[in-house]
Amino acid sequence: ILNVEQSPQSLHVQEGDSTNFTCSFPSSNFYALHWYRWETAKSPEALFVMTLNGDEKKKGRISATLNTKEGYSYLYIKGSQPEDSATYLCAFNPYSSNTGKLIFGQGTTLQVKP
Amino acid sequence: EAQVTQNPRYLITVTGKKLTVTCSQNMNHEYMSWYRQDPGLGLRQIYYSMNVEVTDKGDVPEGYKVSRKEKRNFPLILESPSPNQTSLYFCASSLGTGGTDTQYFGPGTRLTVL
Repeated sequence: ILNVEQSPQSLHVQEGDSTNFTCSFPSSNFYALHWYRWETAKSPEALFVMTLNGDEKKKGRISATLNTKEGYSYLYIKGSQPEDSATYLCAFNPYSSNTGKLIFGQGTTLQVKP
Repeated sequence: EAQVTQNPRYLITVTGKKLTVTCSQNMNHEYMSWYRQDPGLGLRQIYYSMNVEVTDKGDVPEGYKVSRKEKRNFPLILESPSPNQTSLYFCASSLGTGGTDTQYFGPGTRLTVL
């Protein structure tokens, strides 16, 4: 069974703090890793798709790194703002799948206090 | 505007009463998928479709049916809903079926089965 784990499950930070969280996935079967941002009462929206070991992606104050050999990805938020409050989902696409299949972690819920 | 739409957004029904949740995308996407989201669990795939008239089971297909008669539509059918199908449902689509294709999500349908 292919499993994706995210930690921590939830996080409360003050405005201006920088934060990071982890997504762990099976390293032996890797094809791609996706990060999504899901605000309450809205649809999950794509942040990054990462495929190469050592990959680093950035969008504004949010960045992500990928280590396919050890099976983890970090998402960083620099100088958190209240509008960053959301659940961050990672999703793993296994090499064995040509079906577009994504296996999602349970998410990390971030709350940024003003 | 490019989007995935779902209807209804909220539904309360009773055990055994057949229902259909519609999903439509206007992006000419090949791939469409249904997920359910339950507290503490990641998004779990119910069914997916790689093209018109091509559908297949995801991880939790029991109690659900789908059809893909047209490229843009992918309805989810619950023939005899039960309380354990109370959940938040998302429809998603992507241009292709590759592992790096971003999935675009609908707004979600919150279903309660009494």
